[in-house]
Amino acid sequence: EVQLVDSGGGLVQPGGSLRLSCAASGFTFSTNGMSWVRQAPGKGLEWVSTISGSGGNIYYADSVKGRFTISRDNSQNTLYLQMNSLRAEDTAVYYCAKERGYCTNAVCHWYMDVWGKGTTVTVSS
Amino acid sequence: EVVMTQSPAALSVSPGERVTLSCRASQSVSSNLAWYQQKPGQVPRLLIYGASTRATGIPARFSGSGSGTEFTLTISSLQSEDFAVYYCQQYNDWPSRTFGQGTKVEIK
Repeated sequence: EVQLVDSGGGLVQPGGSLRLSCAASGFTFSTNGMSWVRQAPGKGLEWVSTISGSGGNIYYADSVKGRFTISRDNSQNTLYLQMNSLRAEDTAVYYCAKERGYCTNAVCHWYMDVWGKGTTVTVSS
Repeated sequence: EVVMTQSPAALSVSPGERVTLSCRASQSVSSNLAWYQQKPGQVPRLLIYGASTRATGIPARFSGSGSGTEFTLTISSLQSEDFAVYYCQQYNDWPSRTFGQGTKVEIK
């Protein structure tokens, strides 16, 4: 069974830093892209960042570019999100998600098929 | 950025009724659209990908249709466990996958 366990959330002051982790099991971690998605209190879902299976391709939403860093340790089956210069608007539940893809006409498309239970980040003084 | 707009924002439905949720994209996303279900305090669960393919373990009462800019999620006979918020997401515009704002399905 595929399992994703997010951790590392907490209360941090504006301008502070936090590192989230996501421990994966039940699938071949190193061959799957992984993403972080967040949900502010009472709001919808927002894609944050994606990393390829090898870690060689990384993407960020404009709202976090330059402040957040996604990484992975395939030897430990763990995904990370280093969050720096945190702002009040970064307050949210952060979910890690496993990517799954399919290809049609030599073009591949990726969606998120399994999500972790989430970890809560609160940025407040 | 592709903007996804869902309608209605909320609806009240009786168990056993047929439900149709809509999702519109600001530009064509082909069939690269997913639907997720999120119950209160729970994790989003993938229902549909490729606009119409049910994910593993999803009951046949859930069906998706559409392509381009107009999409629909239909629940043929609403069960008590289906009361939740439903989100559509486009994944055509890589890597910036965007979600709709959600439709809340409530008990009437």
